[in-house]
Amino acid sequence: RKEVEQDPGPFNVPEGATVAFNCTYSNSASQSFFWYRQDCRKEPKLLMSVYSSGNEDGRFTAQLNRASQYISLLIRDSKLSDSATYLCVVNSDSWGKLQFGAGTQVVVTP
Amino acid sequence: NAGVTQTPKFRILKIGQSMTLQCTQDMNHNYMYWYRQDPGMGLKLIYYSVGAGITDKGEVPNGYNVSRSTTEDFPLRLELAAPSQTSVYFCASRPDEGAYGYTFGSGTRLTVV
Repeated sequence: RKEVEQDPGPFNVPEGATVAFNCTYSNSASQSFFWYRQDCRKEPKLLMSVYSSGNEDGRFTAQLNRASQYISLLIRDSKLSDSATYLCVVNSDSWGKLQFGAGTQVVVTP
Repeated sequence: NAGVTQTPKFRILKIGQSMTLQCTQDMNHNYMYWYRQDPGMGLKLIYYSVGAGITDKGEVPNGYNVSRSTTEDFPLRLELAAPSQTSVYFCASRPDEGAYGYTFGSGTRLTVV
């Protein structure tokens, strides 16, 4: 079983709509959670950390469910520039080694 | 600030050749990492370092070696390149404190033929 699993998509989203997707993680001892964004053929970039109480950053909302071991990302009022692959990332040790999901592709269409 | 700089950006190697992927960061980060990303797969950790002179294996270290003689530099060495090492390689670093947000380099696309 993969440590971090994501629906690969693609999620095709009309501009202005809302899209949400989850990822699940297998290690119940995981400590830190993140969403990274990766554009085609580029390096991953940190989108936001995910906190236990849930958190927002502009149009992006992240949630963590420790009991069911999943995190979610919701994008409101989608923009064309939101088209990217979103990587679910989990940290389970003190050395900062991260476990990456394979990513969920989001395509925002005009 | 340049952040994390990787060179080269692209490289084609023949089977059995060797090369070094360079990674330099100017943020005085102690923690540095090498990942590889294969198509449709998550990033896999090759090696990491928690400071100058200290390195350790990650999930997929076979066929690679690293050194960390300075805080700034963390080169990745490929010996006897194999087609299975065709991948995109990312170097990353993070500050000692905080929420483990990485800064990635722009990657090296390696093809072994």
